[in-house]
Amino acid sequence: QQQVKQSPQSLIVQKGGISIINCAYENTAFDYFPWYQQFPGKGPALLIAIRPDVSEKKEGRFTISFNKSAKQFSLHIMDSQPGDSATYFCAASKAGTYKYIFGTGTRLKVLA
Amino acid sequence: DAGVTQSPTHLIKTRGQHVTLRCSPISGHKSVSWYQQVLGQGPQFIFQYYEKEERGRGNFPDRFSARQFPNYSSELNVNALLLGDSALYLCASSSLLAGSYNEQFFGPGTRLTVL
Repeated sequence: QQQVKQSPQSLIVQKGGISIINCAYENTAFDYFPWYQQFPGKGPALLIAIRPDVSEKKEGRFTISFNKSAKQFSLHIMDSQPGDSATYFCAASKAGTYKYIFGTGTRLKVLA
Repeated sequence: DAGVTQSPTHLIKTRGQHVTLRCSPISGHKSVSWYQQVLGQGPQFIFQYYEKEERGRGNFPDRFSARQFPNYSSELNVNALLLGDSALYLCASSSLLAGSYNEQFFGPGTRLTVL
């Protein structure tokens, strides 16, 4: 029940295309869902996050879509750029614990 | 403002040795969490400290321990190192202010190699 399942494992997108990464969870007590971007040799950087009381959140080219009934959420990267090439992690946490449960990561490559 | 800082950047140890990793949170943040990230996997939660008290512990053996100091910096200690302890160790800080969204900000990590 503590798992967060992330797919796909890897993704190749043409420059200007849309990158979509999906995550699913089991524990309905989770109430915070962040996405992190990680470059090789660096720590994860917070990209965007959402709570279950909204179905979508957009920040620049990054959008989170959230489906509470399906217990799924996804990251959409619009107009993908070669500089977006990195590993992306979804995560989930529940109030009172503050620990994050991370997905297994998606390695994104955007072709120039 | 400086972000989360960690030291050292890289570390090479042999099996059986002990290691201490250090972390300084973002100024004003009182909570520090530690994560282990094995190559090709997502970070795994080890500990969370808030106001110098342990508030959470992940599924790691007792060889792993940590503490938080009055200035909110933190140390992670690992005893009797095993080859499987080779990983990137990440520190994350958060403010845990009432009404905050539980945002955690990660440092660059310490790459530990056990030979």
